Amino acid sequence: EVVLTQSPGTLSLSPGERATLSCRASQSVSSTYLTWYQQKPGQAPRLLIYGASSRATGIPDRFSGSGSGTDFTLTISRLEPEDFAVYYCQQYGSSSLTFGGGTKVEIK
Amino acid sequence: EVHLLESGGGLEQPGGSLRLSCTASGFTFSNYAMGWVRQAPGKGLEWVSAISGSGGTTYYADSVKGRFTISRDNSENTLYLQMNSLRAEDTAIYYCAKAPLEVRFYYFDYWGQGTLVTVSS
Repeated sequence: EVVLTQSPGTLSLSPGERATLSCRASQSVSSTYLTWYQQKPGQAPRLLIYGASSRATGIPDRFSGSGSGTDFTLTISRLEPEDFAVYYCQQYGSSSLTFGGGTKVEIK
Repeated sequence: EVHLLESGGGLEQPGGSLRLSCTASGFTFSNYAMGWVRQAPGKGLEWVSAISGSGGTTYYADSVKGRFTISRDNSENTLYLQMNSLRAEDTAIYYCAKAPLEVRFYYFDYWGQGTLVTVSS
């Protein structure tokens, strides 16, 4: 099973700052199968990025994804108040899904 | 607009059973794989199960294999999760989610609001 490790666990930033979130896989993951979600308290997860770098419908262009192999990154170029949330990466492989442990982006 | 509404959660004793339902609208249900993802209180996301659009192929996480059964009724636009031999560690919010393809579930593009399952004596 592919294990996804997200870092940091918590990121304390101010609105307007740049956020860089890391997702590292225990073995190589096809970019096609790497996804990012956003989850706010009391809400369901929301699809942000699929295929490592493709934004989902309605996702602002301040969100971008990159990476390949075992190292993937979600970048939020300028944090808006509504971006403070928990972010999860997820991979598909061997007919199963695994999620990373999440990165909480909190207001500094 | 895609809408997914879960129901059937509640309090059940260890060893008991529950059946979750998810009613879908806003898309051609049979054209898409569907799945269940759970989240224990204060914890991260865990994939539970998935099913192809036709219902002919099912997939399970090792943690629920042999205890949970996923199914769907395409005539009723409804997804199910039959949960047997429940354990305390099954306590979680269970989300129903739609995949973007009929067979593969690379990711989920729409999610319901979830239903809480509590397993406790």
